[in-house]
Amino acid sequence: SQTIHQWPATLVQPVGSPLSLECTVEGTSNPNLYWYRQAAGRGLQLLFYSVGIGQISSEVPQNLSASRPQDRQFILSSKKLLLSDSGFYLCAWSVGPGATEAFFGQGTRLTVV
Amino acid sequence: AQSVTQLDSHVSVSEGTPVLLRCNYSSSYSPSLFWYVQHPNKGLQLLLKYTSAATLVKGINGFEAEFKKSETSFHLTKPSAHMSDAAEYFCVVSGMEYGNKLVFGAGTILRVKS
Repeated sequence: SQTIHQWPATLVQPVGSPLSLECTVEGTSNPNLYWYRQAAGRGLQLLFYSVGIGQISSEVPQNLSASRPQDRQFILSSKKLLLSDSGFYLCAWSVGPGATEAFFGQGTRLTVV
Repeated sequence: AQSVTQLDSHVSVSEGTPVLLRCNYSSSYSPSLFWYVQHPNKGLQLLLKYTSAATLVKGINGFEAEFKKSETSFHLTKPSAHMSDAAEYFCVVSGMEYGNKLVFGAGTILRVKS
């Protein structure tokens, strides 16, 4: 069966520090991968998605970047965190192409102080 | 225009009473529709999905939803609420006009009173 791992679960970082959140998927090949950010009362905002290694699409301009160095690995990064980067970050995967459901990791609570 | 609208940000019910979480969507084509549930500080779990098969969709934990094209609605229901149903629920639309990406509603927080 397929599983998705996302870490760390919680993270407190100072303003201006770098960020690296990692997500890996097991049990499937060539998944579509996603990074979402969730703010209270505002649903989920899609940040990045990837349909293959090295293929990243950015949905919104921001202080973050994403990379996919391997088929089942998706990394969310920042060189210098801002206070506004605080939030709950979720990684997800789906079988593509097509409008199929996505399966989510357990999320990372990021607090920038 | 809003792609998916969850009409209530908060819903409160008593344990054992019915649950209704409302969702309206906008789509020019045949959409795929989903309901997800999220418990505090956890990831999202798929409750059910509609992908142009039967309009009444049954999901996990006794939830079901009915696709009504004429009303552009996909409301989530459960006959009898349980304390463990307290969570946040997201209605989601996808399809060709959304690049086959998932578009989330703002969420409805369900409170269940004992």
